[in-house]
Amino acid sequence: SQTIHQWPATLVQPVGSPLSLECTVEGTSNPNLYWYRQAAGRGLQLLFYSVGIGQISSEVPQNLSASRPQDRQFILSSKKLLLSDSGFYLCAWSVRTGGTQETQYFGPGTRLLVL
Amino acid sequence: LAKTTQPISMDSYEGQEVNITCSHNNIATNDYITWYQQFPSQGPRFIIQGYKTKVTNEVASLFIPADRKSSTLSLPRVSLSDTAVYYCLVGPISGSARQLTFGSGTQLTVLP
Repeated sequence: SQTIHQWPATLVQPVGSPLSLECTVEGTSNPNLYWYRQAAGRGLQLLFYSVGIGQISSEVPQNLSASRPQDRQFILSSKKLLLSDSGFYLCAWSVRTGGTQETQYFGPGTRLLVL
Repeated sequence: LAKTTQPISMDSYEGQEVNITCSHNNIATNDYITWYQQFPSQGPRFIIQGYKTKVTNEVASLFIPADRKSSTLSLPRVSLSDTAVYYCLVGPISGSARQLTFGSGTQLTVLP
């Protein structure tokens, strides 16, 4: 069966520090991968998605970046964190299916607090 | 992208049937309707998906009228553990999941 991992589970970082969040998927090949951010009490905002190794599309301009060095690994990074980067970061994967809408499967999330 | 409108919150009691309606007036011909459930500090979880009429699985039912401008998620006999945020999404049939937009969802609170 497929599983998705994210780490760390929680993170407290000072403003201006770098960030690296990692997401890995097991049990599937060539998944579509996604990074979302959820502010407290709000819906999910799609940040990045990837359809393959080295292929990254950004949905929202910001000081974050994403990379996909391996088929089932997705990394979210920042060189300098802002207070507004605080939130709940979710990684998700999906597999393209013919004739139906793709279902997204979400990881456990990383709670980031920037102070 | 089709925009969706849901109630911000709903309260119910254990054992009752709960119906959450989502409006999507500008739904396109090739759009599907999908519902997700999210518990606090967890990622959303797929509940059900449909295109028209009625879809039922072990968790819920999804009712879609002929004009498809709205849909209703029905949860039978809710329990306290069904307290969560429920998201309605509308997106293309064969497009990638990036074309889905999560709104603010509906906070369902089940009371004892």
